[in-house]
Amino acid sequence: EVQLLQSGGGLGQPGGSLRLSCVASGFIFNNYAMSWVRQVPGKGLDWVSSVSGSGGSTYYKASVRDRFAISRDNSKNTLYLQMNSLRAEDTAVYYCAKDSRSPYSLNWFDSWGQGTLVTVSS
Amino acid sequence: QSALTQPASVSGSPGQSITISCTGTSSDVGSYNLVSWYRKYPDKAPKVMIYEVSERPSGVSDRFSGSKSGNTASLTISGLQTEDEAEYYCGSYAGSSTLWVFGGGTKLTVL
Repeated sequence: EVQLLQSGGGLGQPGGSLRLSCVASGFIFNNYAMSWVRQVPGKGLDWVSSVSGSGGSTYYKASVRDRFAISRDNSKNTLYLQMNSLRAEDTAVYYCAKDSRSPYSLNWFDSWGQGTLVTVSS
Repeated sequence: QSALTQPASVSGSPGQSITISCTGTSSDVGSYNLVSWYRKYPDKAPKVMIYEVSERPSGVSDRFSGSKSGNTASLTISGLQTEDEAEYYCGSYAGSSTLWVFGGGTKLTVL
């Protein structure tokens, strides 16, 4: 059974940093691209970032490109999102998500973490 | 503003059918058969209901179906049940630059 267990998040200061983690089990981790998707309270889903199975290719939405860093440690089956220069508009529930079949691209998200709330406020 | 356009809300009575549209562009929905639909209950993780425009994952009821015409994809739920009441999101691969886009979500109310 695929499981994605998230940790991290919580309260961050504007301009500060937080790191999210997502530990995967139940599948061969490096065979699949992984992503972070967020949901601002009361708003829709918003794709944030993705990383290829090897970790060699990373992708970001424009508004986070120079502030967030996605990475993965395939030896630990763990996905990360380092969030720097936090802004109030980054406040959201963040989900990690697994691609359905490819280490190279996105097809659809077939498994999701439980979500973790990030609140950016002073 | 979301990249894909969905109606904010739809409603139907138990047993009826509803259709939710998802309009994108020739750079996403219109170019790739990688449209998927997700059901989301409040405070729960999303769940894929349709992938590759019209494919159903194992375990998803055949009351859920999907289609696409041009830049618009659609999700149809037939035989509405109370447990179908949720938020539904479409998503699409959008090429190697943008990578992925979601719709703004549609709240389905089963009256």
